[in-house]
Amino acid sequence: GQNIDQPTEMTATEGAIVQINCTYQTSGFNGLFWYQQHAGEAPTFLSYNVLDGLEEKGRFSSFLSRSKGYSYLLLKELQMKDSASYLCAVRGITGGYNKLIFGAGTRLAVHP
Amino acid sequence: KAGVTQTPRYLIKTRGQQVTLSCSPISGHRSVSWYQQTPGQGLQFLFEYFSETQRNKGNFPGRFSGRQFSNSRSEMNVSTLELGDSALYLCASSSGSGSRRNNEQFFGPGTRLTVL
Repeated sequence: GQNIDQPTEMTATEGAIVQINCTYQTSGFNGLFWYQQHAGEAPTFLSYNVLDGLEEKGRFSSFLSRSKGYSYLLLKELQMKDSASYLCAVRGITGGYNKLIFGAGTRLAVHP
Repeated sequence: KAGVTQTPRYLIKTRGQQVTLSCSPISGHRSVSWYQQTPGQGLQFLFEYFSETQRNKGNFPGRFSGRQFSNSRSEMNVSTLELGDSALYLCASSSGSGSRRNNEQFFGPGTRLTVL
């Protein structure tokens, strides 16, 4: 089967660094995505990993270890606007390129 | 370039009724995927349409169906509504080229369906 786990909630302070973890079990693996979703809005794409290692994009970085079934999203220099839900999603080998399996999401609250 | 649009944005129905939701993808995108989002279950994949054909399907009952038109616009239909169908229904469009690159999906704002 397929299973994706991420923490339900996290809190952090403005200006700090936060790491959101995601572990997954899938029947085959063909990429891992991170999305950001503000309350009442659509998810927006943050990052994509298909090979092991770190992908950096501005204040956001995403890491993948396929052998461990593990990824994390790193947010640096936190801003109040980063308060949102962060969704980890995995694409399996079967089912096509657009069948994403999402985790339940991590609600991040950034405090002053 | 206009984004993904969904209509209506909000809908209230009663049990037993049926509902049709619409999604217009980004111009040039041929793939439309539908997801259901609820507080308890998170985002769950319903199905994907590409070039008017259902290409992938999630684990939802047959009451949930969809179709895609030649202009790539897609509709989703839910028949015999149940209370548990209350959710945010999101559609996402992508080029659907089949490349092994990220093939990023762009989400629409969603239709919030409430079943009473």
